[in-house]
Amino acid sequence: DIVMTQSPDSLAVSLGERATINCESSQSVLYSSNNKNYLAWYQQKPGQPPKLLIYWASTRESGVPDRFSASGSGTDFTLTINSLQAEDVAVYFCQQFYITPWTFGQGTKVEI
Amino acid sequence: QLQLQESGPGLVKPSETLSLTCTVSGDSISSRSYYWGWIRQPPGKGLEWIGNMYYSGSTYYNKSLKSRVTILLDTSKNQFSLNLSSVTAADTAVYYCARVLVVTPGAFDVWGQGTMVTVSS
Repeated sequence: DIVMTQSPDSLAVSLGERATINCESSQSVLYSSNNKNYLAWYQQKPGQPPKLLIYWASTRESGVPDRFSASGSGTDFTLTINSLQAEDVAVYFCQQFYITPWTFGQGTKVEI
Repeated sequence: QLQLQESGPGLVKPSETLSLTCTVSGDSISSRSYYWGWIRQPPGKGLEWIGNMYYSGSTYYNKSLKSRVTILLDTSKNQFSLNLSSVTAADTAVYYCARVLVVTPGAFDVWGQGTMVTVSS
């Protein structure tokens, strides 16, 4: 199975500042035939289901604010939240869908 | 607007079978554009993919659960279901149903609210 490791486990960021979350996969999730990274990012607020933010490692889902951006390729990925808002307090997960079983990172808790 | 809603018992006894249903409204589960899947989250923990099903009947299960899991589609009711047999306390979790677009095979773009299932005698 591909193991997804996120860092840090939690971070506290001031309102308006930047939050950066890292995700490392135990093997590459880059599919060479289409040059796509099979990686997604989700946001989960307390008592709610996860919400898809990013897919193909860097493509924002429709309706996701542009302060959320993501990058990376192969095994190393980053989610950045620019100008953190109060409503961004949540746990963020990365997920690989390169190969089954699809696996998630352990989550990163973002607090103010 | 697409909505998914899980339903089923909130309490299951050890060794019995956990059975949940996901009712889909706003779209057809017979669409060739989607997979339909289940994910679970033990209290205070991370997410675990359980399995997916395509309208054709093709299924994809997490090998860690494969011997115990069955996902079925009921196109007449626009529902899909999860059966997990021989449950133990380790199967206590919030269970989510979700949709996957075929064009982004593996990213869950619409989720149900989730249903808590406790395994206890």
